[in-house]
Amino acid sequence: DAGITQSPRHKVTETGTPVTLRCHQTENHRYMYWYRQDPGHGLRLIHYSYGVKDTDKGEVSDGYSVSRSKTEDFLLTLESATSSQTSVYFCAISENRGHSYNEQFFGPGTRLTVL
Amino acid sequence: DAKTTQPNSMESNEEEPVHLPCNHSTISGTDYIHWYRQLPSQGPEYVIHGLTSNVNNRMASLAIAEDRKSSTLILHRATLRDAAVYYCILMGSGGSNYKLTFGKGTLLTVNP
Repeated sequence: DAGITQSPRHKVTETGTPVTLRCHQTENHRYMYWYRQDPGHGLRLIHYSYGVKDTDKGEVSDGYSVSRSKTEDFLLTLESATSSQTSVYFCAISENRGHSYNEQFFGPGTRLTVL
Repeated sequence: DAKTTQPNSMESNEEEPVHLPCNHSTISGTDYIHWYRQLPSQGPEYVIHGLTSNVNNRMASLAIAEDRKSSTLILHRATLRDAAVYYCILMGSGGSNYKLTFGKGTLLTVNP
């Protein structure tokens, strides 16, 4: 299994509080991604990173920010959590050495509940 | 992004082959066809991908239509562990854009 961990695995928080989710990899892959998964929507990309300090928005980036200060860590921050951000969050990594080698490896997920 | 269409659900019996279809009529010439699956309470995992030719690996086979407007993921002998949601995804070739766009996928139920 690819070395990807997410922390915390479960979190319950209140509306308006800041929340930071961490994704840590030991594979030295260049690309890292944050997705959210909600019933009836499949996985949707929030933000992704293509290198240290290089990030870009996905399709559902409003209300989220990210940071990547070193290769192995990609942080997702909810500045002021809302109930609509209750979801399961998945981190993924990929090497992207070309189309034949850009398989994404996913972490175990973080279940976030905003009350 | 080009879209894919998959059945919402399919059922199979254990140890029988399973053919999971995917339509992608607006696929561009440089789009790769990727399949991922998601087991219950886990993150997605890569299954297989291809461009034009059929592909085989230890998990499955991918059959791509000659006009590339459809493809079929083949599980040769389904096991209970293959019960999952299967996603057919097109991945574009533009620059460094290697993002996956997940649809709702096909929920595969495997009966013992």
